[in-house]
Amino acid sequence: NAGVTQTPKFRILKIGQSMTLQCTQDMNHNYMYWYRQDPGMGLKLIYYSVGAGITDKGEVPNGYNVSRSTTEDFPLRLELAAPSQTSVYFCASASHVGYEQYFGPGTRLTVT
Amino acid sequence: AQKITQTQPGMFVQEKEAVTLDCTYDTSDQSYGLFWYKQPSSGEMIFLIYQGSYDEQNATEGRYSLNFQKARKSANLVISASQLGDSAMYFCAMRGVSGNTGKLIFGQGTTLQVKP
Repeated sequence: NAGVTQTPKFRILKIGQSMTLQCTQDMNHNYMYWYRQDPGMGLKLIYYSVGAGITDKGEVPNGYNVSRSTTEDFPLRLELAAPSQTSVYFCASASHVGYEQYFGPGTRLTVT
Repeated sequence: AQKITQTQPGMFVQEKEAVTLDCTYDTSDQSYGLFWYKQPSSGEMIFLIYQGSYDEQNATEGRYSLNFQKARKSANLVISASQLGDSAMYFCAMRGVSGNTGKLIFGQGTTLQVKP
């Protein structure tokens, strides 16, 4: 099993550009999450999904969108990138509520 | 509102000694879970240990143990016999049961440096 994979690993965007961060898990987990980690800080939840077709906002959803058309994939879309979105983005999945979340390796995004 | 507080931005420990990383939490939920994750300099998030609010015994996983004091709302991580590879950032996180979503709230982290 590959676990949780994220692409790309690194990306530099210009202000106003858009991009999609990809996240795929091969563990058949229903629960998936997107977090961002700003330098020297903890992770903050952007969006989450409790199953295919179901998504909801987390703590910091502004400027982002998600979709969950399959159990495996949970892409995060950034529209009109802003410098405040410079961060490391982590995708995670869990089989059940209360079980540990498995994290992907992260995507380091810089917006200039 | 739920909150996790880690008051130690940085800690040093001598190799082979034990170290305690502090974590306090605030929640109105009766049922909740507490997690510790390790983030080495390479950046990945590694799950270490879990404690459920109704678990009567403190969780242990190898050299890691969780000192759970429910009345004090604390969930400190104890690492015994520190190794150089334990140098990393450590995050405490909490899951509430509201909405049955599994969402985690993270503390700001503690950077641990193990000295040879």
